Amino acid sequence: AQKVTQAQTEISVVEKEDVTLDCVYETRDTTYYLFWYKQPPSGELVFLIRRNSFDEQNEISGRYSWNFQKSTSSFNFTITASQVVDSAVYFCAFGRGSSNTGKLIFGQGTTLQVKP
Amino acid sequence: DADVTQTPRNRITKTGKRIMLECSQTKGHDRMYWYRQDPGLGLRLIYYSFDVKDINKGEISDGYSVSRQAQAKFSLSLESAIPNQTALYFCATRGNRDLDTQYFGPGTRLTVL
Repeated sequence: AQKVTQAQTEISVVEKEDVTLDCVYETRDTTYYLFWYKQPPSGELVFLIRRNSFDEQNEISGRYSWNFQKSTSSFNFTITASQVVDSAVYFCAFGRGSSNTGKLIFGQGTTLQVKP
Repeated sequence: DADVTQTPRNRITKTGKRIMLECSQTKGHDRMYWYRQDPGLGLRLIYYSFDVKDINKGEISDGYSVSRQAQAKFSLSLESAIPNQTALYFCATRGNRDLDTQYFGPGTRLTVL
């Protein structure tokens, strides 16, 4: 069965620090998708990134970067020079490619608090 | 205007009452989903639908039912609400292609007293 683990329940940093959110997944599938979503205090879920299992190229978007390593089944998310507005709950999610139902399996979420 | 809307945004009800949560989307997607979020558990899938005639149970469907009235509308019902159904409920939509992303509504916060 597929599983997503976000071992860090809560992280607190001071503004401008770099922070990495860990995500580890379990699957025997060869084709799958990984996602990160942000949930700010207002409650909505904001899509951040999608990664396909056949593309291990790391990605950078502004202060955000993602490190996908199939060898360790990890898809970690780094925020560089964190800001107060980054305070949110962050979810990592897994989607099976073979079934194509589109169902997502979510990790438990990591609450990030960025203090001024 | 938001692509995926949910009504109501907040609801407080009593044990035993019937509750309907509604979801509408303007993205033209065939696939729609209902999830619930509980603290420390992430989001879990309740039901999903590929079109108006195709409805499937998710991992926690007990105590819930759904109705796909049209491509754009997917409703979640609690026939007899109980306190442990207090949660944040999300509707989501997705296109049919493998690479399509799932987009979420703003959520409905339900409290069952």
